This record gives sequence, structure tokens and C-alpha cells, in this order.
Amino acid sequence: DVKVTQSSRYLVKRTGEKVFLECVQDMDHENMFWYRQDPGLGLRLIYFSYDVKMKEKGDIPEGYSVSREKKERFSLILESASTNQTSMYLCASSLDENYGYTFGSGTRLTVV
Amino acid sequence: DQQVKQNSPSLSVQEGRISILNCDYTNSMFDYFLWYKKYPAEGPTFLISISSIKDKNEDGRFTVFLNKSAKHLSLHIVPSQPGDSAVYFCAARGGTGNQFYFGTGTSLTVIP
Repeated sequence: DVKVTQSSRYLVKRTGEKVFLECVQDMDHENMFWYRQDPGLGLRLIYFSYDVKMKEKGDIPEGYSVSREKKERFSLILESASTNQTSMYLCASSLDENYGYTFGSGTRLTVV
Repeated sequence: DQQVKQNSPSLSVQEGRISILNCDYTNSMFDYFLWYKKYPAEGPTFLISISSIKDKNEDGRFTVFLNKSAKHLSLHIVPSQPGDSAVYFCAARGGTGNQFYFGTGTSLTVIP
């Protein structure tokens, strides 16, 4: 079974802090994604990556950046955390565009 | 703009009865559709898929129907069980990067 592991289940950070959310997948998947889930808004795509060192903006990239230095690892960075970035963050990976996604368990981030 | 919509945020059904979850989309170029199930504090897990060349796909108690002319898909669960209580997301594939767009989710409660 493909496993997508997010390093933290719960995080509390202060406004203005730089925050790193880490995601690792163990099945050599090409594609990796970062979503945030908010009530009434569903899953919204922040950034995705189809290859190492490659990134593409999703629907809501503002305030975020990403890093993919190795195929198995995709990091989401909040440059200066704000309270409106309090959310559930979900990482996903897929083999290619013909396959659905495997999701991690999520990181519940609270910015105070 | 939300390209995939789930207009019912919640649904309650008696155990043993049919659950019908609906999903509408706006982009006629979407070619592949998925349903995911999500329990609290877990990532979404893949449930069932359907290609745009089909109008029905069945897997045990779960059946997905696709009506391309109406840009509508639905998930039927028969019979519903208490363990089916979860949030269900539909997703549609398309766009420049062939990524999946997710709906806002429907919270299903199956009453014993």
C-alpha cells in the first residue's frame, strides 16, 4: 500500500512565524499535491509538483511556497503565518494523471 | 469559481436504506471522476471512480452514475451502514495540469 506521511498531526504557531509542513511518500510517485480543507469550501489546491524541483501553482497559492528537492518529499512553507491560514492541510500523491490520489492523514494547523 | 459542487452539505439516512450523494460540475472537458470518503482526523480515501465514457460503475454496495449531458454524478450506497458515516467528496479531472478538482463535501450520517 502506498503511504503518504505528514510529519505532524497538530501544529500551533504564532502569527508571523515561518512554518514548514513536510510530506513524504514511499511509492516513487511522480505527482504530489498540497490541499487545504476548510468547512464549506472543500479541498482547495495550493501547489502541486510533477517532478523533482518542479512546482505549479494551484488555486490558492498566495502566502505559500513549496519545495521538492527529492522525489519522495514535498514541503509546504508558510512564509509568514497568518490567522487565516488556520486550516487542515492535506498532502497527496499519485503515480500519474490516470490515477487518483493517495492522501496523508492531514496536519491541523492553528495560527494564533 | 467552484467547478465541482456538492449542494447538500449534509445527509441523514436510516441504516439499511439507500444513500444518494450528488455532485454537479461545470466543465464539460472533465473526463474522469472519483469519490472519496473522509473520516474525522484522517485523510480522504479513494472509494470509486468512473470514466466519462461510462455512465455507471458498481463496486459492492457503491454505485456511481454519470449523466454527462446534465454534468451530474451521483453516488448510491445500498444498503447504508453506520460505518458509512463520513464526509464524501467528489472530484473531477481536467484543467491545464490534469489535476483533480474537489467538491465541498457532503457529510453523511447513517442512523442505526
